[in-house]
Formats: sequence, structure tokens, C-alpha cells
Amino acid sequence: DAGVIQSPRHEVTEMGQEVTLRCKPISGHNSLFWYRQTMMRGLELLIYFNNNVPIDDSGMPEDRFSAKMPNASFSTLKIQPSEPRDSAVYFCASSQGGEQFFGPGTRLTVL
Amino acid sequence: GIQVEQSPPDLILQEGANSTLRCNFSDSVNNLQWFHQNPWGQLINLFYIPSGTKQNGRLSATTVATERYSLLYISSSQTTDSGVYFCAAPNTGTASKLTFGTGTRLQVTL
Repeated sequence: DAGVIQSPRHEVTEMGQEVTLRCKPISGHNSLFWYRQTMMRGLELLIYFNNNVPIDDSGMPEDRFSAKMPNASFSTLKIQPSEPRDSAVYFCASSQGGEQFFGPGTRLTVL
Repeated sequence: GIQVEQSPPDLILQEGANSTLRCNFSDSVNNLQWFHQNPWGQLINLFYIPSGTKQNGRLSATTVATERYSLLYISSSQTTDSGVYFCAAPNTGTASKLTFGTGTRLQVTL
């Protein structure tokens, strides 16, 4: 298996622009998670899906962030408009009810 | 939610030395994971260990769920072991929502 796939790996954008991060979970996994890692806050869960349905989005920082999972093999995390404080590494992870496996992450820089 | 604490925060070892990393959690858990974040930022699964002991090469882990802690043992350390080691446990009442500790930063020198 290719593991969890994320794109892009690096994104540099200007404040106010829309940013879309993409994730393909491991085939057969029914849970998908979006995390954010910063030096100040460490690794924090933003939102997770079970069977393509959002279960808990309490970690989403504000309305500028939104996530979708239109099917079992694809999810997006969108930030609109982006701000410099959104700069971080965003990880996607998937699981089949237990152990979580992480993608390589997307390093986002908002100027 | 659950609190996850790791110690020590930083560790410097000479190649070949052994070490023990500790993870304490504030509530009972039904699973616990150990990860290694390498210098390139990748999060690599080490162990999925709700209880008991598991071994994988030079690494082993023990979780004592009743006493709310887990230990990660690294033997004969190598420079490639450098990075940050995280443990993560699910929030009470959910099997999915992991809370991460702040990590142990390990540097292995020649």
C-alpha cells in the first residue's frame, strides 16, 4: 500500500488567498483525521471523519477552515482566507478503527 | 480531555547507549501509540500498544494501563534514531480522537 498521500507537500501563499490541502487515505480505512503541528501548540486534531461523515470538528480554529470528504478515498482541508498564523504543517491520518497512520504532511507558509 | 505528559523533554545520547522514554496519561485508555518524527518531519508508527509489551528490533514498548503509563526503550542507539518521539492516547469516551504528548527530543551523537 502507498500509505496516506497528501498534496501538495509544500505550499507558499499570500495572506488572503484560498488554500486547499488534499488527502488520500489508505484504502479500506474508514476514519480520516486532519491534524496541525506548530511549535507553539504541538500536534492538534482539527477534525475527523468516520465513513465520510464529519464526527468532531471542535478543533477547527474558526470559520475560515472547512473540511470535506466526498468519498472514501479523498478529503480536502480548505482555508479561506488564509492568514500568516495559519502557517504550520498539516497532517492527514487514517485508520481502520484503531492504529492511525500519518501522511507526509503539507508545510504551509502564509506570507 | 485526557492529559498526556512525556519525559524527559530532551535527551542526548552517545551512539550505542540505551534509553527509556516515559509517557504518562491522566485517564484509562484502550489504545496508545508511539511515533517517531524524523528530522524530515515524517511521523513514523513505532508501536500500537494498549497494554503489555511489544518489541521491534532495538525498540520495545511497555504499557501498564492500570497505572496509566507507557515506556519506550531504545537499545544500542544509532544516529538514525534522532528525532522527536511522541506518544498519543485517545480522549476519554472515544477510540479515535488522539491527544499527543509534547514529545521527547532525542539526539544521538557519534
